Amino acid sequence: GAVVSQHPSWVICKSGTSVKIECRSLDFQATTMFWYRQFPKQSLMLMATSNEGSKATYEQGVEKDKFLINHASLTLSTLTVTSAHPEDSSFYICSAPKGSVLHEQFFGPGTRLTVL
Amino acid sequence: AQSVTQLDSQVPVFEEAPVELRCNYSSSVSVYLFWYVQYPNQGLQLLLKYLSGSTLVKGINGFEAEFNKSQTSFHLRKPSVHISDTAEYFCAVSSSGSRLTFGEGTQLTVNP
Repeated sequence: GAVVSQHPSWVICKSGTSVKIECRSLDFQATTMFWYRQFPKQSLMLMATSNEGSKATYEQGVEKDKFLINHASLTLSTLTVTSAHPEDSSFYICSAPKGSVLHEQFFGPGTRLTVL
Repeated sequence: AQSVTQLDSQVPVFEEAPVELRCNYSSSVSVYLFWYVQYPNQGLQLLLKYLSGSTLVKGINGFEAEFNKSQTSFHLRKPSVHISDTAEYFCAVSSSGSRLTFGEGTQLTVNP
């Protein structure tokens, strides 16, 4: 299988600060990556689709100015939570499809964000 | 539009007992179906997938699922569970090969 990593695995920050989360495909190139958030005891909700070399596509209700996505290379996408607030505390997971088969996605281990 | 319903939010079973986790989907087009497992504070691991062909799909860790188009179901089964199978299980659907839509999840708890 393919490997997707995330960094950091957990982060605690103060309200009003910004936090960057990295998602890397370690052994394959990914022109598309997906960002999800998961609240405790809930399912994964797709936030946005990250596209290498172009703007991300955000799901309805997701603030693009708050959740900045940059897909700078074929192996790295970053999610920056700007001016974080306690309600942004969540588990953020990225995924990447390998090859041209978009439905075969590989998931990162997730990043636990806690905003104080 | 597509949606997934996992009929049981929690399933407690005893070790070595069989288990079935239920999943129903709705979609106006052909779908691809998946089951993922999530251990606490970890990402998702693919258990199995249905893309085409045989409706009975075998996955890792002894799990299998059967795609039933007429009933729009994709239930997950294991004939004998272990303590280590305790985890959250998510059913997901994808059409047109792009975004995944997840069900709400089923917490499987295996008791000794």
